[in-house]
Amino acid sequence: DGGITQSPKYLFRKEGQNVTLSCEQNLNHDAMYWYRQDPGQGLRLIYYSQIVNDFQKGDIAEGYSVSREKKESFPLTVTSAQKNPTAFYLCASSVLNIQYFGAGTRLSVL
Amino acid sequence: GENVEQHPSTLSVQEGDSAVIKCTYSDSASNYFPWYKQELGKGPQLIIDIRSNVGEKKDQRIAVTLNKTAKHFSLHITETQPEDSAVYFCAASKGVSNFGNEKLTFGTGTRLTIIP
Repeated sequence: DGGITQSPKYLFRKEGQNVTLSCEQNLNHDAMYWYRQDPGQGLRLIYYSQIVNDFQKGDIAEGYSVSREKKESFPLTVTSAQKNPTAFYLCASSVLNIQYFGAGTRLSVL
Repeated sequence: GENVEQHPSTLSVQEGDSAVIKCTYSDSASNYFPWYKQELGKGPQLIIDIRSNVGEKKDQRIAVTLNKTAKHFSLHITETQPEDSAVYFCAASKGVSNFGNEKLTFGTGTRLTIIP
């Protein structure tokens, strides 16, 4: 069953804590993306990676970090520097510009 | 960078009627325009896309039109059904580069409600 798996589905962060969101794909896609979705604001690009061991900042990278050590995996860390982390986070991978999305992780602050 | 505007933000139509959602983009180099449907609590799914070498594309009840001169594209849904209720996003990009996939710029979304 091919696709993109995001985990966990729900995540809670305490103040000052870093949390990591998982994104795994078995579609053999080179490119992967992280988006943040807030009500009424559409999807905003946080980071993207075109190839293993390389990634670029998107439009709202401050307070986030990523790694791309394997083709299948693109984890996102929400650091304590991100002061407003409550949002729905979406991971995607793409081939020939068609992006395929995971089911998302909803992050809330305790 | 690219800027994509989407209208309306909410749309209610009677079941069986048609729905139209419009987007404009700013970068004349953009040449790929997908539409995504997002159901509650799920990730967006591609429903139709169009590339700049065509003006219209249809897939059953869904069609997309593109006017490159005016830099706008539209999603048309005919014979709407309750399962069409969702949030729809348009997007634009410059297509596939030598390095790989270009990033997409998304519109802010349209919440479509089909009234039974």
